[in-house]
Amino acid sequence: QQQVKQSPQSLIVQKGGISIINCAYENTAFDYFPWYQQFPGKGPALLIAIRPDVSEKKEGRFTISFNKSAKQFSLHIMDSQPGDSATYFCAASAGRGADGLTFGKGTHLIIQP
Amino acid sequence: DTGVSQDPRHKITKRGQNVTFRCDPISEHNRLYWYRQTLGQGPEFLTYFQNEAQLEKSRLLSDRFSAERPKGSFSTLEIQRTEQGDSAMYLCASSPARGEAFFGQGTRLTVV
Repeated sequence: QQQVKQSPQSLIVQKGGISIINCAYENTAFDYFPWYQQFPGKGPALLIAIRPDVSEKKEGRFTISFNKSAKQFSLHIMDSQPGDSATYFCAASAGRGADGLTFGKGTHLIIQP
Repeated sequence: DTGVSQDPRHKITKRGQNVTFRCDPISEHNRLYWYRQTLGQGPEFLTYFQNEAQLEKSRLLSDRFSAERPKGSFSTLEIQRTEQGDSAMYLCASSPARGEAFFGQGTRLTVV
């Protein structure tokens, strides 16, 4: 049972454009939603995280939008740059902060110069 | 480097051999996690420690897997009688209580 569904599987965006990655979850107990960025051969790096008491969180060029009623959340990368090319994972956990995160399958993002 | 450190970075072993990986968490973090990541997939939770206590184990953690964190600092993950299906990236992460998790670079295991 896949508890966090991520789409698209891959995404190509022109430099300067907006990259949008979506995730949907099933477990209504989830209350912590981080996004991780992973480069080949490296471990995932925390980008930004949100809890369901807010509908949006912005850090620099990265924004999480959260829709509790739809059980969906998304990552927006503004002014996408070639250096943003990586695999992005959404994740979720229930009542335990980072304990036992359930990850999506990832989105391979390519930013074309 | 004050991040999560994992050793070795790569390990190639023959089927049936035992392997052990080490993780050194961020020093002030009392929680430590092990995840497994196969190609094209997201990390999958294996187990986690709060200080030296192992509080949760995933069903993915078969009897051939054992993890320890003897003094609440570094942790080891041992796989006995390795199988080809064990080939994966093994990731360690640490966090303060109910805080954000930071991952290490991982140990890539190849079982031949």
